[in-house]
Amino acid sequence: DSGVTQTPKHLITATGQRVTLRCSPRSGDLSVYWYQQSLDQGLQFLIQYYNGEERAKGNILERFSAQQFPDLHSELNLSSLELGDSALYFCASSVAGSGANVLTFGAGSRLTVL
Amino acid sequence: QKEVEQDPGPLSVPEGAIVSLNCTYSNSAFQYFMWYRQYSRKGPELLMYTYSSGNKEDGRFTAQVDKSSKYISLFIRDSQPSDSATYLCAMSENNAGNMLTFGGGTRLMVKP
Repeated sequence: DSGVTQTPKHLITATGQRVTLRCSPRSGDLSVYWYQQSLDQGLQFLIQYYNGEERAKGNILERFSAQQFPDLHSELNLSSLELGDSALYFCASSVAGSGANVLTFGAGSRLTVL
Repeated sequence: QKEVEQDPGPLSVPEGAIVSLNCTYSNSAFQYFMWYRQYSRKGPELLMYTYSSGNKEDGRFTAQVDKSSKYISLFIRDSQPSDSATYLCAMSENNAGNMLTFGGGTRLMVKP
């Protein structure tokens, strides 16, 4: 157990729907990162939050949004889902300051869009 | 061209073999280099972490960084079937929280 908790583990939904993925970072970590992993694109950075504030944005679609709450858990919202959104979504967390480039990943949420 | 290139494999070796996994990169500002191991249907886990050029050894694993050639390697000695996984290299310019740049991963299969 890495200490990063993601729910749900698996999710099957239909095109056009909206889902929310949840992440609790490792105790003491202030930064949360969301990554998408698909077979053809590899591990793609979506967005980073640090202590509740958006810190960096990667290849995140406008249909996707995220937030980090005061208790530091984070949610990734995916809307108007398309078949191509089927992927593994990973949350990772890191400490603040020195060593913040070392990410601890959760087990992922597998999203299947039918 | 991707910023970090990694042969996707699969790389199939017999148990006990020495495995060499490699990444090349184009950004000369990268200073921190990592290797993550990802088992099927699991999240990546940090295996090795190195700063700048040189070697680092941890048990059966050795990480090498050659910044002049923009080339990093991970060697696995006495490979075991439990080493079968996808190995991802990752790099960053500093250690203060900038985004990591990942390679696409190399799938390794160690056959008994």
